[in-house]
Amino acid sequence: KAGVTQTPRYLIKTRGQQVTLSCSPISGHRSVSWYQQTPGQGLQFLFEYFSETQRNKGNFPGRFSGRQFSNSRSEMNVSTLELGDSALYLCASSPGTGGARTEAFFGQGTRLTVV
Amino acid sequence: AQKVTQAQTEISVVEKEDVTLDCVYETRDTTYYLFWYKQPPSGELVFLIRRNSFDEQNEISGRYSWNFQKSTSSFNFTITASQVVDSAVYFCALVLGGSYIPTFGRGTSLIVHP
Repeated sequence: KAGVTQTPRYLIKTRGQQVTLSCSPISGHRSVSWYQQTPGQGLQFLFEYFSETQRNKGNFPGRFSGRQFSNSRSEMNVSTLELGDSALYLCASSPGTGGARTEAFFGQGTRLTVV
Repeated sequence: AQKVTQAQTEISVVEKEDVTLDCVYETRDTTYYLFWYKQPPSGELVFLIRRNSFDEQNEISGRYSWNFQKSTSSFNFTITASQVVDSAVYFCALVLGGSYIPTFGRGTSLIVHP
């Protein structure tokens, strides 16, 4: 069974640009969550999608958005990039309906650098 | 508001030593879930264990064991006879029963020297 796949693995963008990151969950998993990991703030929850609906959202500005498609694949978008958005963005999928309350399977992340 | 504290930023041990990673949590909820994840240099978090607040039974899985004590709000993780492959950052996380949003600790970097 294939794991969680995130693309691209590395990305360099300029301030003010926008970026789209992609996540393919484990087959059959309908819950997809996104996290931002930085040295300063640690691991922070961005949002969670379940069956194409955003079920939960963390404390991030509206520049951070996402969506989930009918095949459970998810994308997250960051508009008007700031230097502080440089981070490792992790995607996780979970079986069943429990989301983060259950075992989560993580991808290797997308390392975003904003210059 | 909930909080997870991993006071040990970095631990360095020599192979075959036992090591305990501490996790202290804060919540007023009675229903919650606690987790440990391992993050190797490759980046992905790897699930290790999940415990709900009503199950204080300790667990052992090979060289890994977990000690959950509600009285002290702690969920500590012990690696027995550590190995170089155990080198990673370990995260403790808390999810409240009425939420799907995890709160992570800052992580403990474990370095196991050969």
